[in-house]
Amino acid sequence: NAGVTQTPKFRILKIGQSMTLQCTQDMNHNYMYWYRQDPGMGLKLIYYSVGAGITDKGEVPNGYNVSRSTTEDFPLRLELAAPSQTSVYFCASNSGGNTGELFFGEGSRLTVL
Amino acid sequence: RKEVEQDPGPFNVPEGATVAFNCTYSNSASQSFFWYRQDCRKEPKLLMSVYSSGNEDGRFTAQLNRASQYISLLIRDSKLSDSATYLCVVKGSGGSYIPTFGRGTSLIVHP
Repeated sequence: NAGVTQTPKFRILKIGQSMTLQCTQDMNHNYMYWYRQDPGMGLKLIYYSVGAGITDKGEVPNGYNVSRSTTEDFPLRLELAAPSQTSVYFCASNSGGNTGELFFGEGSRLTVL
Repeated sequence: RKEVEQDPGPFNVPEGATVAFNCTYSNSASQSFFWYRQDCRKEPKLLMSVYSSGNEDGRFTAQLNRASQYISLLIRDSKLSDSATYLCVVKGSGGSYIPTFGRGTSLIVHP
């Protein structure tokens, strides 16, 4: 059982470049999330989705976009990368509700130079 | 005031020690609470849920104090392998099921 799969694991971008972080889950979870984690800090919510076709902003959405065309996939798009977007990005999913455990991907380490 | 607050530490303890972490939350309507463990450069993983009556899993005990709006994690007989960051997670604020994370408490267990 693959769980939550993120790609790529590492990426270096130049300022102004764009890229997409891929996230897919095989647990048929309705809820999916993108978090970023800066060194020594907690996870900050970028965007989330409660089901296919539905997305919403989290705490730090500026500079990012998402889509949710299927239950399995929740890609995160970075437009015009900036050094402030250097971070570790985690995708997560759960079945929703108050008791659903969050399952995380292994993370994508992004550096913008 | 942040929604979920934790002392970042680090807590530096010898093997065999007992250590406790607290986490405070600001929204009294929060409904569910969890502790996640995160190893260095890895993804967070669920350690345990926190139930109203308190719960125990081996050397780990979690408690909830709704009146004072905090949860706690107690680790007994610390092992070297317990060294990690412990993240407090709160859900259910205002009818939302979106998890909110604290910044984590770093624990270092030394020989």
